[in-house]
Amino acid sequence: DTAVSQTPKYLVTQMGNDKSIKCEQNLGHDTMYWYKQDSKKFLKIMFSYNNKELIINETVPNRFSPKSPDKAHLNLHINSLELGDSAVYFCASSQVFGAGGNTEAFFGQGTRLTVV
Amino acid sequence: AQTVTQSQPEMSVQEAETVTLSCTYDTSESNYYLFWYKQPPSRQMILVIRQEAYKQQNATENRFSVNFQKAAKSFSLKISDSQLGDTAMYFCASRYGGATNKLIFGTGTLLAVQP
Repeated sequence: DTAVSQTPKYLVTQMGNDKSIKCEQNLGHDTMYWYKQDSKKFLKIMFSYNNKELIINETVPNRFSPKSPDKAHLNLHINSLELGDSAVYFCASSQVFGAGGNTEAFFGQGTRLTVV
Repeated sequence: AQTVTQSQPEMSVQEAETVTLSCTYDTSESNYYLFWYKQPPSRQMILVIRQEAYKQQNATENRFSVNFQKAAKSFSLKISDSQLGDTAMYFCASRYGGATNKLIFGTGTLLAVQP
């Protein structure tokens, strides 16, 4: 049973299109994240949600809109895709508060987005 | 600002040998956590080892151990008896407590284990 699953694993799309990436975690964690890994493998946080509330928004263009319908899901919608959006996007979750808090982050398998 | 620095972009080691990957970090926080993640060609991010800053004892997980030097803000990873399956990108990361906690990653070290 996959702990953090994101779909799709690969996404190829044309400039200007709108696309979504879905993420679900079955670990019961209270916090979920989106990270972007660029072509040089550098990992940078984009967003963080705690119990469906936006906690971190790291200067990401407003074409990127996260949505958390419940604490087990965090989806990423991207409007008007640009060539520079090509990257691997990782979803992750961790337990931050309460008993058993401050755990490490568990990552999904990543979505490789290619904008052509 | 908190930063994590990995000064070795690439390293190579012979199978069965020992290798040490370096990591330094910068923070003014007193409560934080340090991690090493491994990313093999499959691109899955896999936790290798974690260290709580308040613990003086160095963490160990089988063939993986850390040398945590708090005063020097250094957190190196030692891999003993290297195996071909250890070939991967290794990322050092730090995390600080509180609601805005987030993982801050270093730039990674690409480790190649040679047969």
